[in-house]
Amino acid sequence: SQTIHQWPATLVQPVGSPLSLECTVEGTSNPNLYWYRQAAGRGLQLLFYSIGIDQISSEVPQNLSASRPQDRQFILSSKKLLLSDSGFYLCAWSSQYEQYFGPGTRLTVT
Amino acid sequence: GENVEQHPSTLSVQEGDSAVIKCTYSDSASNYFPWYKQELGKRPQLIIDIRSNVGEKKDQRIAVTLNKTAKHFSLHITETQPEDSAVYFCAAIPTGFQKLVFGTGTRLLVSP
Repeated sequence: SQTIHQWPATLVQPVGSPLSLECTVEGTSNPNLYWYRQAAGRGLQLLFYSIGIDQISSEVPQNLSASRPQDRQFILSSKKLLLSDSGFYLCAWSSQYEQYFGPGTRLTVT
Repeated sequence: GENVEQHPSTLSVQEGDSAVIKCTYSDSASNYFPWYKQELGKRPQLIIDIRSNVGEKKDQRIAVTLNKTAKHFSLHITETQPEDSAVYFCAAIPTGFQKLVFGTGTRLLVSP
């Protein structure tokens, strides 16, 4: 069966510091991969999605970037974090229709 | 592009009552409609979905109905229990697209 991992689970970072969040999927090949952000008490904001290695679409202009160096690995990065980057970051995968979320990373920017 | 509206934003019911959450979509080409349940501090979990060639789907106490003509779909929860308390999100995906468009969420509170 398929499994999706995210790490770290929680992270506290100062403003202006870099960020790297990692997501990996097991048990499937060539999945579509997604990064979402959820502010406290809010909905799901799609940040990036990828249909293949090095094929990444950005949904919103911001100080974040994404990379997919391997088929089942998706990385979210930032060179300089802002206070507004705080939130719950969720990775997700899909093969055709059904989409499944990872356990998430809770990021607090101080 | 696709736009999904979800109502109500909050819903309070007594244990044992039924709950209904409604979503409308704008793109008639959308063909897949999932519902997610998100408990506090957890990831959204896919609880039920429906494809455009089906009008209704049931799974124990939850059901989803789809009206393609009116472009709306609904989640029905019967015999609600306190553990049904969560935020529920609807979503839609147009044919040929790779990403879900989510509604804004409904916070359901089931009081014992």
